Amino acid sequence: NAGVTQTPKFQVLKTGQSMTLQCAQDMNHEYMSWYRQDPGMGLRLIHYSVGAGITDQGEVPNGYNVSRSTTEDFPLRLLSAAPSQTSVYFCASSYSPHEQYFGPGTRLTVT
Amino acid sequence: GQQLNQSPQSMFIQEGEDVSMNCTSSSIFNTWLWYKQDPGEGPVLLIALYKAGELTSNGRLTAQFGITRKDSFLNISASIPSDVGIYFCAGRMEGNEKLTFGTGTRLTIIP
Repeated sequence: NAGVTQTPKFQVLKTGQSMTLQCAQDMNHEYMSWYRQDPGMGLRLIHYSVGAGITDQGEVPNGYNVSRSTTEDFPLRLLSAAPSQTSVYFCASSYSPHEQYFGPGTRLTVT
Repeated sequence: GQQLNQSPQSMFIQEGEDVSMNCTSSSIFNTWLWYKQDPGEGPVLLIALYKAGELTSNGRLTAQFGITRKDSFLNISASIPSDVGIYFCAGRMEGNEKLTFGTGTRLTIIP
């Protein structure tokens, strides 16, 4: 199993640009989530999904969209990038909200 | 939103020393998790706790689910260089599909 994979690993965007961060898992996990990690603030939940076709907002959803058309994939879309969205983004998956397995992260810089 | 207070924020220890860190909440949790993050990587699950008073070990690591259900503790015995990293606690409240993360404890081993 590859586990949780994320692409790209690094990305630089200009303010106002849009992009999609990809996340895929091959463990048949129902639960997937996106977090952002900023210095001194731990991990904050952006959006999550409890199964294909079902998504919900986390703690910091503004400026981000998600969809879950398959069990395997959970892409995160930045609609109009802002410098405040400079962060490290992690995708995680699990059978339940408990024991989540994290991907390697995407490091995003918005200039 | 719900906050988890994790302490200490950082620790500087010598190899071979024991380490203790804790996580406290203002709310009752029914699941506590401990993760470790190496530089440039995603968090990796160390220990999961599901019952108040539960004590669980993973090698040199031991974690406890506090009896008040508002705190959890992680101990590392006889630290080694590969223990360096950031340790995060995470908790889940009853009926909540989301995990809340602490802000992390950064462990550094002094040569």
